[in-house]
Amino acid sequence: KAGVTQTPRYLIKTRGQQVTLSCSPISGHRSVSWYQQTPGQGLQFLFEYFSETQRNKGNFPGRFSGRQFSNSRSEMNVSTLELGDSALYLCASSSPTETGEQYFGPGTRLTVT
Amino acid sequence: LAKTTQPISMDSYEGQEVNITCSHNNIATNDYITWYQQFPSQGPRFIIQGYKTKVTNEVASLFIPADRKSSTLSLPRVSLSDTAVYYCLVGGHGGSQGNLIFGKGTKLSVKP
Repeated sequence: KAGVTQTPRYLIKTRGQQVTLSCSPISGHRSVSWYQQTPGQGLQFLFEYFSETQRNKGNFPGRFSGRQFSNSRSEMNVSTLELGDSALYLCASSSPTETGEQYFGPGTRLTVT
Repeated sequence: LAKTTQPISMDSYEGQEVNITCSHNNIATNDYITWYQQFPSQGPRFIIQGYKTKVTNEVASLFIPADRKSSTLSLPRVSLSDTAVYYCLVGGHGGSQGNLIFGKGTKLSVKP
């Protein structure tokens, strides 16, 4: 079974631009979550989508948004990029079992200059 | 979601057993305890999950005392490739684990 895939793997943007990151979950997984990882703040939860609906949301500004499509693929968008948005963005899909463990993708390394 | 406390770092040598303890005093009745492993520039990887007593799989064991206010991840006979950051998480209410709250984790360094 293929794992979680994220595209692109690396991205360089300038301040003020916007960016869209994509995530394809493991087949059969309906929950997709997004996380931001920086050296200073560690791993922080952004939001979770389940069946095209946002189920949970972390404490991030409205510049960060996401959506999920009917095939469970998900995208996240960051508008008006700031230098502090430079981070590794991780996507994870949850197993539809009682334990619900998450499977993470390799991440997208975003650099804002 | 319950807050967790674990050591910032630990050192070990190849072949030793490593035990990482996590404190979660405010764990709720229906919270699960889950451990993840992360290598640099990669996403975290699920290691093990438990609710009470002891759970064992092919890579680790998880010990949970009766009061569930702490848990211990046990890695038998570690190797250099076990050098990573290990995160203890509490919550999830069983199947719903989409909003994981990660702490700082424990950076395990395994030396030859």
